[in-house]
Amino acid sequence: SAVISQKPSRDICQRGTSLTIQCQVDSQVTMMFWYRQQPGQSLTLIATANQGSEATYESGFVIDKFPISRPNLTFSTLTVSNMSPEDSSIYLCSVTLGRVGGNEQFFGPGTRLTVL
Amino acid sequence: GQNIDQPTEMTATEGAIVQINCTYQTSGFNGLFWYQQHAGEAPTFLSYNVLDGLEEKGRFSSFLSRSKGYSYLLLKELQMKDSASYLCAVMDSNYQLIWGAGTKLIIKP
Repeated sequence: SAVISQKPSRDICQRGTSLTIQCQVDSQVTMMFWYRQQPGQSLTLIATANQGSEATYESGFVIDKFPISRPNLTFSTLTVSNMSPEDSSIYLCSVTLGRVGGNEQFFGPGTRLTVL
Repeated sequence: GQNIDQPTEMTATEGAIVQINCTYQTSGFNGLFWYQQHAGEAPTFLSYNVLDGLEEKGRFSSFLSRSKGYSYLLLKELQMKDSASYLCAVMDSNYQLIWGAGTKLIIKP
């Protein structure tokens, strides 16, 4: 498995500001993903973070709102820009190790964001 | 479109057995996953099925029938700590995970 840490664990932000969430993995991983989970809901994939190139965004998510960086195989950031109360959610980083037969995703502890 | 269906909520008694069903319709299939998520925590991996049949891991077992687009997670000897949401997810032909909405399992003494 992989050990994944996220910073910050939680934050309360004002409308119109931006927050950058960091995801650090203890080993090099093939794939890194960013999810959002709103209260009582399942996971929604925001984007796949690609090392050395632009992230691949899912329908309904755009780079201007959720810019993502992945400078190497162990680290990624997600920025939530120009926040509104609708962005209040848990943001989760996940990784796959890319082993044969090992497609499972491992999740970081999440970042709980509240926008006032 | 792609769809994963699982019951919203189930209740069971401590010490008993519970089966959580999941049906899916996806574009391609590269495996089905079950995750456990306690309230306020991240999901943790439970099982992975890519071939038909039953996979057993201690008190938890997962079954898959690809022809029926069906899986279940079986939890035996239920403990209070098993109270959590159980998420079914299918990996499609693009190796992307399609997530169900989760089943909230309530264990009563």
